[in-house]
Amino acid sequence: AQSVAQPEDQVNVAEGNPLTVKCTYSVSGNPYLFWYVQYPNRGLQFLLKYITGDNLVKGSYGFEAEFNKSQTSFHLKKPSALVSDSALYFCAVRDYGQNFVFGPGTRLSVLP
Amino acid sequence: NAGVTQTPKFQVLKTGQSMTLQCAQDMNHEYMSWYRQDPGMGLRLIHYSVGAGITDQGEVPNGYNVSRSTTEDFPLRLLSAAPSQTSVYFCASTQGGRLNDEQFFGPGTRLTVL
Repeated sequence: AQSVAQPEDQVNVAEGNPLTVKCTYSVSGNPYLFWYVQYPNRGLQFLLKYITGDNLVKGSYGFEAEFNKSQTSFHLKKPSALVSDSALYFCAVRDYGQNFVFGPGTRLSVLP
Repeated sequence: NAGVTQTPKFQVLKTGQSMTLQCAQDMNHEYMSWYRQDPGMGLRLIHYSVGAGITDQGEVPNGYNVSRSTTEDFPLRLLSAAPSQTSVYFCASTQGGRLNDEQFFGPGTRLTVL
């Protein structure tokens, strides 16, 4: 069965510093990986997805994600954090049955 | 395009009452799903549908029913509400066909069962 782990419940970073939100996955077969962001009292918004062959994926709002097959990781990164990036971030994997499996979420706080 | 819409935004029920959460999408997406979001647990799949007339159970289906009579609509029914069903409910849709297609989410329904 597919699974996703986000080992940090909370990540704090100062504005202007680089940020990383971690995600590891377990799948049988090729991984179909996604990052979503949720702002307070809103639905989830798509940020980016892994495309086979590209180890560094660029997405919305300046975010990018680094795929590492040997470590089964898909960490979300941004070179310079903004206060407005503060939100709840979810990593997800899609299985061959077309269902999405979500991680528990990581709350990012960017401090001014 | 309105995307994925959900109604109502908020609902309070008493134990034992029934209700239907509405979900509609105008993107002609084949795949639709319902999730519940609880603190610290991420999103858990309740039911999903890969096309009109086809539905199946997800991870936490008990106490919920769905139907998919049209491509656009995917209502979720609570048959007899229980306090354990207090949660935020999200509907989502995907084009389908390609496993790297992303999901589009509605704004959510916050349900409280007393």
